[in-house]
Amino acid sequence: GAVVSQHPSRVICKSGTSVKIECRSLDFQATTMFWYRQFPKQSLMLMATSNEGSKATYEQGVEKDKFLINHASLTLSTLTVTSAHPEDSSFYICSAQPLAGGGEQFFGPGTRLTVL
Amino acid sequence: AQSVSQHNHHVILSEAASLELGCNYSYGGTVNLFWYVQYPGQHLQLLLKYFSGDPLVKGIKGFEAEFIKSKFSFNLRKPSVQWSDTAEYFCAVRPGGYNKLIFGAGTRLAVHP
Repeated sequence: GAVVSQHPSRVICKSGTSVKIECRSLDFQATTMFWYRQFPKQSLMLMATSNEGSKATYEQGVEKDKFLINHASLTLSTLTVTSAHPEDSSFYICSAQPLAGGGEQFFGPGTRLTVL
Repeated sequence: AQSVSQHNHHVILSEAASLELGCNYSYGGTVNLFWYVQYPGQHLQLLLKYFSGDPLVKGIKGFEAEFIKSKFSFNLRKPSVQWSDTAEYFCAVRPGGYNKLIFGAGTRLAVHP
């Protein structure tokens, strides 16, 4: 149980385009989902906390107009990288926190974004 | 600012050697503590967690960790590593009152047969 999926697993796009990444909790409901960014050989950096039915809470230094987050249901959150540039190339990972649980987060497999 | 330090960035061991990975955090209040593992090409998986109670917690695959409050530490241990333990290990802290995890930089473990 407690499986989180991400789609797509890998995406290559041209500079200036927008890319949407989906994060789904497959076998549980999650009021809260988190979006992280992981640079090569570095740790996970929390970008934002996504709460179902309300606006996301962004970490300091993360542009909310560039990284649009929507958490429309208890099993789906989306991250849209708008007007992507090469510096946005990274590994984006989501996690989901079950409605009923001890606050543990379950992680998705990540999405590798490459902006040309 | 709250932070998590993992002192060993890269550890190389032979099979059957004992493992201890250090983790220290900076936060004076109540914390929840986690160790996650990321095997090559896979997503992060929870190894073990500490919320309260016995400060020595046992996780999956023979791992354990000890919470020492006075040292702000949560070191991960395994008495005898296997080649299949080759992975990256992340310590994470959730400060009390916050619903987010703060990750350490990770420790890359390579176990040679």
